[in-house]
Amino acid sequence: GAGVSQSPSNKVTEKGKDVELRCDPISGHTALYWYRQSLGQGLEFLIYFQGNSAPDKSGLPSDRFSAERTGGSVSTLTIQRTQQEDSAVYLCASSLDLMNIQYFGAGTRLSVL
Amino acid sequence: TQLLEQSPQFLSIQEGENLTVYCNSSSVFSSLQWYRQEPGEGPVLLVTVVTGGEVKKLKRLTFQFGDARKDSSLHITAAQTGDTGLYLCAQMTSASGTYKYIFGTGTRLKVLA
Repeated sequence: GAGVSQSPSNKVTEKGKDVELRCDPISGHTALYWYRQSLGQGLEFLIYFQGNSAPDKSGLPSDRFSAERTGGSVSTLTIQRTQQEDSAVYLCASSLDLMNIQYFGAGTRLSVL
Repeated sequence: TQLLEQSPQFLSIQEGENLTVYCNSSSVFSSLQWYRQEPGEGPVLLVTVVTGGEVKKLKRLTFQFGDARKDSSLHITAAQTGDTGLYLCAQMTSASGTYKYIFGTGTRLKVLA
């Protein structure tokens, strides 16, 4: 596609449920990034992929969070047993490679009730 | 932990006024990026500064990188309502062959007609 696409754009879930957020990067971009943005705040870096590999998972907030990328393309961020503090906008970005400009999607707004 | 602090946190000005926002780090930047984020969208890269003392201009926006590469500023001349948004500075850090992107706390600018 022309840009980074994220789905769903909005997700409302009940505390304790699992959610899966999807990111479709720009075609040909080898690097992919996930961020979390709480209301009106800066971005919190969660994880990056170089190809299908995530070299450093220490930025994930807890072991309830996991991410994977397949085929060097689509990535999913999964949050298990959601908590209210998980409510935020989850942003995905991709770049040609790690040293290149990041292009962001519009984000998924997650609300945990 | 490297931190990026931005000031002011909020700024509300009239159209036509000038303004400056700041980004400061606890340690030396290798390079620094400035982004603007509008509501409901992901951040968009404005500029990357690399060299200490560097000044870059983008129409009415002037970006300056401090000589010691620990601070940066963004000056907007004759602000317009279209400049409204969240301004974020960011940098990439690396350690042990892995990377992190650190974003500042952001300056939320509102330009009033």
